[in-house]
Amino acid sequence: LAKTTQPISMDSYEGQEVNITCSHNNIATNDYITWYQQFPSQGPRFIIQGYKTKVTNEVASLFIPADRKSSTLSLPRVSLSDTAVYYCLVGDIERNYGGSQGNLIFGKGTKLSVKP
Amino acid sequence: GAVVSQHPSRVICKSGTSVKIECRSLDFQATTMFWYRQFPKQSLMLMATSNEGSKATYEQGVEKDKFLINHASLTLSTLTVTSAHPEDSSFYICSARVPVENQPQHFGDGTRLSIL
Repeated sequence: LAKTTQPISMDSYEGQEVNITCSHNNIATNDYITWYQQFPSQGPRFIIQGYKTKVTNEVASLFIPADRKSSTLSLPRVSLSDTAVYYCLVGDIERNYGGSQGNLIFGKGTKLSVKP
Repeated sequence: GAVVSQHPSRVICKSGTSVKIECRSLDFQATTMFWYRQFPKQSLMLMATSNEGSKATYEQGVEKDKFLINHASLTLSTLTVTSAHPEDSSFYICSARVPVENQPQHFGDGTRLSIL
């Protein structure tokens, strides 16, 4: 499984765009990049997933450069309710993210704090 | 969208009690489910992979006789914490992936286990 590196924490203000970058230098050919959001005492919630270039949905955008060694989650116009921990995961989703048993390995995530 | 449901959401019980946690995939069949544990201010740690119709596979350091996993149907996996002790108090989360191409894993809302 590709190891990921994210900033431990980020601060922002309401209405700003937030970009969280994740490094995954040893990403494999079959690996996808997936981002999850977790609020305290809740399970992670899927945000967005991509393989290359750019993916956009109703809540976020995911930018992936050509070498795929990093990715950036972009949250437009954040609000206080976006305060959460954001996890970047990389793996072969067709094998449940690879590994000997096909599983997700979580890093430490990025704690985003949105202030008024 | 795909939904994974956990029950109960919170359990408080005395030391020595066995506690069963259920994980259900509500609108899809999951041949594989995963169980995670999360301690306060830490990331999710994979405990075991639950395989429908066969034995679960456990991560290193996780006692299989302590954490019994049963995956008797394509929509239900259970985790039983046997003879629970205060050090087993944690947030337990399950996940499953919709078995369709390029679909990510979805998580339950977790179970807060408190052993007195």
